[in-house]
Amino acid sequence: DQQVKQNSPSLSVQEGRISILNCDYTNSMFDYFLWYKKYPAEGPTFLISISSIKDKNEDGRFTVFLNKSAKHLSLHIVPSQPGDSAVYFCAAGSSNTGKLIFGQGTTLQVKP
Amino acid sequence: NAGVTQTPKFRILKIGQSMTLQCTQDMNHNYMYWYRQDPGMGLKLIYYSVGAGITDKGEVPNGYNVSRSTTEDFPLRLELAAPSQTSVYFCASRRSGAETTNGYTFGSGTRLTVV
Repeated sequence: DQQVKQNSPSLSVQEGRISILNCDYTNSMFDYFLWYKKYPAEGPTFLISISSIKDKNEDGRFTVFLNKSAKHLSLHIVPSQPGDSAVYFCAAGSSNTGKLIFGQGTTLQVKP
Repeated sequence: NAGVTQTPKFRILKIGQSMTLQCTQDMNHNYMYWYRQDPGMGLKLIYYSVGAGITDKGEVPNGYNVSRSTTEDFPLRLELAAPSQTSVYFCASRRSGAETTNGYTFGSGTRLTVV
């Protein structure tokens, strides 16, 4: 039972264009969501988050959108840079249980 | 400030052996987590803890045990290693109430191979 799904295993975009990474979840108990970036042989690093009481959060080139009715969130990176090439994980958490569940990840390649 | 420290970084086990993966954090975080990442896959939650003396199962707890006797330490125990436990294991922690402010802090991982 995959509670958090990232249906696109990979994404390739040109430098300077927008990257859109998507994530779906099934559990209505999740009340916060995070995006992580991961390079090979390293632990995940925190990128951006959003609480379920918001529908948008922006931090520089990164914006996360949350659509609670559709149980869908997305990460927009504008403009994309070659250094953004990595695996991106979305994660959903419940403040009641303390549990944090990750998706399968999307590998982003930004071409110069 | 060391953050989350995992030891060892690499380990090869034989089938049936046991071992403990160590995880220590020096940030006084209440919450701690163990995840495993199989090749090409996402992170699966094994066990987590919301404070000293309190642990709970995650998505894939079978074959593992944990304890949380102190705030700082959250060791993961494999009693009878199986090839299916070959994976990269990540420990993470966060402060209570800090779910969305700065996320969860991860260690650099332990790469375990069971042969």
